[in-house]
Amino acid sequence: RKEVEQDPGPFNVPEGATVAFNCTYSNSASQSFFWYRQDCRKEPKLLMSVYSSGNEDGRFTAQLNRASQYISLLIRDSKLSDSATYLCVALTGNQFYFGTGTSLTVIP
Amino acid sequence: EAQVTQNPRYLITVTGKKLTVTCSQNMNHEYMSWYRQDPGLGLRQIYYSMNVEVTDKGDVPEGYKVSRKEKRNFPLILESPSPNQTSLYFCASSFGGGASYTFGSGTRLTVV
Repeated sequence: RKEVEQDPGPFNVPEGATVAFNCTYSNSASQSFFWYRQDCRKEPKLLMSVYSSGNEDGRFTAQLNRASQYISLLIRDSKLSDSATYLCVALTGNQFYFGTGTSLTVIP
Repeated sequence: EAQVTQNPRYLITVTGKKLTVTCSQNMNHEYMSWYRQDPGLGLRQIYYSMNVEVTDKGDVPEGYKVSRKEKRNFPLILESPSPNQTSLYFCASSFGGGASYTFGSGTRLTVV
């Protein structure tokens, strides 16, 4: 079983839409969680950390449900520039585990 | 500028010819790591290092070596590259203790 699992998509949404991604992790001992964004053939870049109480950064909201072992990312008012692959990450001990990513395309 | 620098960005080589991909960070990070990324498989960890002279295997270490003689550098060595090591490689670093990674720009390696 993979440490972190994501729906690969693709998600194709119109501009202005709200889109949500979910991610599950298998190890209850995982202590930190992140969402990264990766543009085609480029390095992943940190989008936001995920806190137990949930956190928001502009149009982006991340939530963590430890009981069900899932993490979510909500993007409101989607922009064309949000088109990318979104990677869910769990830190377990000293190792970061990445999901395979969810592809998002925002359509004009 | 705080960054992780990888070189080269692109490399085409032949089977069996030893190569080194360099990685350097200027953020005084304790933790450094190498990943490879392949379609459908995502990012898989090759090796990581928690500090100078401390390295450990990740999920896919076979065919790779690393060293951490200085805090800022963490080179990836392929002693005898094979075509199944054709991939996109990323170096990353972190302060550790739950802090997030910063990635280098990637090295696209092709072994023919």
